[in-house]
Amino acid sequence: GENVEQHPSTLSVQEGDSAVIKCTYSDSASNYFPWYKQELGKRPQLIIDIRSNVGEKKDQRIAVTLNKTAKHFSLHITETQPEDSAVYFCAAGTTSGTYKYIFGTGTRLKVLA
Amino acid sequence: ETGVTQTPRHLVMGMTNKKSLKCEQHLGHNAMYWYKQSAKKPLELMFVYSLEERVENNSVPSRFSPECPNSSHLFLHLHTLQPEDSALYLCASSHAPIAGANVLTFGAGSRLTVL
Repeated sequence: GENVEQHPSTLSVQEGDSAVIKCTYSDSASNYFPWYKQELGKRPQLIIDIRSNVGEKKDQRIAVTLNKTAKHFSLHITETQPEDSAVYFCAAGTTSGTYKYIFGTGTRLKVLA
Repeated sequence: ETGVTQTPRHLVMGMTNKKSLKCEQHLGHNAMYWYKQSAKKPLELMFVYSLEERVENNSVPSRFSPECPNSSHLFLHLHTLQPEDSALYLCASSHAPIAGANVLTFGAGSRLTVL
């Protein structure tokens, strides 16, 4: 069945450094890729998303890149801060009327002060 | 209150108990979802209701019974659960994906422990 692989499962970086989280999806029909951030004890919140008609999207310190040929997409966080510490989930879905997303297993990011 | 609200936030129950989880959204969305979040596993979609009709039932055991009385409220009725059902149950809502992707807004979750 369809799945999304997410790596790494845990990531520790020094404050100010960059963090990269990678996902690979299997369903070639996927064309919408959101990223969610879940702080400890809180709800997952959408932080950025990308559609398959673009290769990169940026929002301040956060960027997402997509390689449709390789079925890879990545989250890049620059100049990390302690408040970036959270679990990040990638997901793959479609814009064709489906309710389903396939989620990755999550990456626990720790930003060390 | 705005957003997606879930109650209770924490629930401990025995295997023979019957309890319910409640979700309420104030976003004007017309689709609501139940997800199960277990440690080191992807979020698992359980049920989806759109315009109060169930549109997805992801092979969930019958000990979980959803109810959607209107587009703002969603319940998950629980009975004779197993310890492996212990998890965080997340409710979400979205616009129906008629045109474009259905961006999910999640609640804070109900942490369920089955003894």
